[in-house]
Amino acid sequence: GENVEQHPSTLSVQEGDSAVIKCTYSDSASNYFPWYKQELGKGPQLIIDIRSNVGEKKDQRIAVTLNKTAKHFSLHITETQPEDSAVYFCAARPANQFYFGTGTSLTVIP
Amino acid sequence: DTGVSQNPRHKITKRGQNVTFRCDPISEHNRLYWYRQTLGQGPEFLTYFQNEAQLEKSRLLSDRFSAERPKGSFSTLEIQRTEQGDSAMYLCASSVGSNTEAFFGQGTRLTVV
Repeated sequence: GENVEQHPSTLSVQEGDSAVIKCTYSDSASNYFPWYKQELGKGPQLIIDIRSNVGEKKDQRIAVTLNKTAKHFSLHITETQPEDSAVYFCAARPANQFYFGTGTSLTVIP
Repeated sequence: DTGVSQNPRHKITKRGQNVTFRCDPISEHNRLYWYRQTLGQGPEFLTYFQNEAQLEKSRLLSDRFSAERPKGSFSTLEIQRTEQGDSAMYLCASSVGSNTEAFFGQGTRLTVV
């Protein structure tokens, strides 16, 4: 099955700085890559996604890049704010289910 | 439409008891997923439904677990003879189809004591 690895596991940045989270996947059949933000005690919230026919997608301060050849994709958050503090999960979907990374705990220091 | 709804939000049960969780997907979403999440880990796939048909089950879904979606709308997940290892957050997600984004509910946190 698909194997998704995510790094780093924890990340601390100063408010206003950028944050980058990286994921790799193993199954070349994966064609859809969502990113979720999860706050304590809540379910994952979809924040951005990218499909395999696109190399980059941006939504305000959030962007995702995909390198199909290298099988890796990344989440970029610019101008970080304290409310960006949460756990972020990447995922890949080769067929009918999503495979998740182990999460990155992001702390934005005011 | 208020998103995916899960009930209860929290459940504490004694080992050996049966528990049942409910998930109400977003209206018109014909695909429904169940995932389990333990502390510090990403969600792990349990099973999914396309309308009322259960099309795939993970090896994580032991014979003590059963899921139903009788009318293709809400779904239930039952765990029989609960064990301490069943303690986790149980997440439900839904999507319009097989190739669209999935939206998660707030989860049901199960604690087996």
